[in-house]
Amino acid sequence: GENVEQHPSTLSVQEGDSAVIKCTYSDSASNYFPWYKQELGKGPQLIIDIRSNVGEKKDQRIAVTLNKTAKHFSLHITETQPEDSAVYFCAARISGGGADGLTFGKGTHLIIQP
Amino acid sequence: NAGVTQTPKFQVLKTGQSMTLQCAQDMNHNSMYWYRQDPGMGLRLIYYSASEGTTDKGEVPNGYNVSRLNKREFSLRLESAAPSQTSVYFCASRVVTGKDEQFFGPGTRLTVL
Repeated sequence: GENVEQHPSTLSVQEGDSAVIKCTYSDSASNYFPWYKQELGKGPQLIIDIRSNVGEKKDQRIAVTLNKTAKHFSLHITETQPEDSAVYFCAARISGGGADGLTFGKGTHLIIQP
Repeated sequence: NAGVTQTPKFQVLKTGQSMTLQCAQDMNHNSMYWYRQDPGMGLRLIYYSASEGTTDKGEVPNGYNVSRLNKREFSLRLESAAPSQTSVYFCASRVVTGKDEQFFGPGTRLTVL
């Protein structure tokens, strides 16, 4: 089955700086890659996603890049703010392959230092 | 729209006790999922249901059973709880047709003593 590796496990950045979280996946059939943000005591919430026919996607301060050949994708957050502090998860699945669930990375705890 | 709701929010069980975690969604989604989240492990799929009347095993199904009661509700049952099942459990749902986004509930924190 699919295996998703995520790094780093903890990331501390100064407010206003950029943060980058990286993930790799093992199954070349995976074609849907979402990123979730989880705040303390809450369920994960989708912040951005990308499909394998696209190399990059941007939504305001958040962007995701995908390299299908290398089987890795990254989350980029620019101009970080205190409210960006949370745990971020990458995930992968085979879209169109039925109702199979997502395979998640182990998460990155992002800390924004004031 | 309440989205995905889960009950209870917290539960403490003794080893060997049974319980059912409830999940409901009001978004008319076809697919529903149960995940568990353990520290440092991310979320792992326990069971899923592609549609009313169908269920399938995920990555970690041992010790659990599920029921897709109707399109809205998907329950997770622990028949004989074990300390290894101490975790936070999340239910999620997805439209399926043309959409990949999964919407998650707020979670149930379960402790088995």
